[in-house]
Amino acid sequence: QQPVQSPQAVILREGEDAVINCSSSKALYSVHWYRQKHGEAPVFLMILLKGGEQKGHDKISASFNEKKQQSSLYLTASQLSYSGTYFCGTENSGAGSYQLTFGKGTKLSVIP
Amino acid sequence: EAGVAQSPRYKIIEKRQSVAFWCNPISGHATLYWYQQILGQGPKLLIQFQNNGVVDDSQLPKDRFSAERLKGVDSTLKIQPAKLEDSAVYLCASSLYPQGKTWEQYFGPGTRLTVT
Repeated sequence: QQPVQSPQAVILREGEDAVINCSSSKALYSVHWYRQKHGEAPVFLMILLKGGEQKGHDKISASFNEKKQQSSLYLTASQLSYSGTYFCGTENSGAGSYQLTFGKGTKLSVIP
Repeated sequence: EAGVAQSPRYKIIEKRQSVAFWCNPISGHATLYWYQQILGQGPKLLIQFQNNGVVDDSQLPKDRFSAERLKGVDSTLKIQPAKLEDSAVYLCASSLYPQGKTWEQYFGPGTRLTVT
């Protein structure tokens, strides 16, 4: 089951904040966030685990609400380099599948 | 550390022709994934290998797609015969067998396939 991301697209000015949401209809074991710039490979940002463990980027934060089966990615004081498409990938099959289902992505554009 | 390598980067073929993509994962990464990314969509998993064994190929259209990972290192994805709807970017990713609970995937630059 593909997770649903919102918004589909957002435009920010440098220094503004943004929140990208990811929700699943199935129970989540972990949520992974990736950023993909145009014509490039997706790059890992964050992983959030059921139970609260988190590993990732030092300038971007995220939350994981297990009960609501949702995750949110917080980008604060955005920089031009934050532009790209953000994907959440959800691990639904329980511990040990090491397999992700990706959402359709949120396109973030940061302008001067 | 060298990243995930893929070739070719671009390929244009006519429908009903065959095509093959190659992937060399990061050294020591036991898990290898092939994804299909259609324009404007997120990556869709086609097949997952653990060493040289298939973990999941439930979304691989097996009537036309095949993949192998000989010796548990590099991998090849083949399409034969290609259809127009196969036009997409094919991404290869690898991950280290998890040490603890966290794991992350490293993606290659992808192969952009255009079927005409």
